[in-house]
Amino acid sequence: EPEVTQTPSHQVTQMGQEVILRCVPISNHLYFYWYRQILGQKVEFLVSFYNNEISEKSEIFDDQFSVERPDGSNFTLKIRSTKLEDSAMYFCASSAKGQRAPLHFGNGTRLTVT
Amino acid sequence: DQQVKQNSPSLSVQEGRISILNCDYTNSMFDYFLWYKKYPAEGPTFLISISSIKDKNEDGRFTVFLNKSAKHLSLHIVPSQPGDSAVYFCAASDGNTGKLIFGQGTTLQVKP
Repeated sequence: EPEVTQTPSHQVTQMGQEVILRCVPISNHLYFYWYRQILGQKVEFLVSFYNNEISEKSEIFDDQFSVERPDGSNFTLKIRSTKLEDSAMYFCASSAKGQRAPLHFGNGTRLTVT
Repeated sequence: DQQVKQNSPSLSVQEGRISILNCDYTNSMFDYFLWYKKYPAEGPTFLISISSIKDKNEDGRFTVFLNKSAKHLSLHIVPSQPGDSAVYFCAASDGNTGKLIFGQGTTLQVKP
């Protein structure tokens, strides 16, 4: 069964550094998402992406964050100047349809900012 | 943001019995609802969904019920198995976007 894959599984970085989280969505999917889960809290929507542009973003997704689809297979989340509170599990997801369709999630990247 | 709420943080049931997980929502624009299962160190795995035009959807041991007037949905697992032990999230979307809003999750433990 096709999967969403994320790398790395764990990223440790120092406060103020930039990180790039990588995702390979399911190959025939067109809609891409990033979510995060801070320890003990809800899975929160960050951003959705379709047709090479952001469709929607949450309040969390400020100028510190950016997304990119640099080629036909990868989807990346960049966090500039990381803060301690950015420590969380970051999940990438993809979907075949833009509405009323399940999202398929990767196993996440655990980001630890020290 | 409490648009989707799972008020029971945990549930424990005996193997073979029914597990019932509950979820409430406040946004009347939601018209598509899903349940996900999550094991530690893995991402959420899609289980089952239901559109607001239905009140029940069944897939094997899993059945989702939707009560639109009460803004409530539930997931029934029968018979429960030890491998079902995981965190279960309900999620909802308003049909205009694919964005899902998640509940806090309920940890299900199925005892042998």
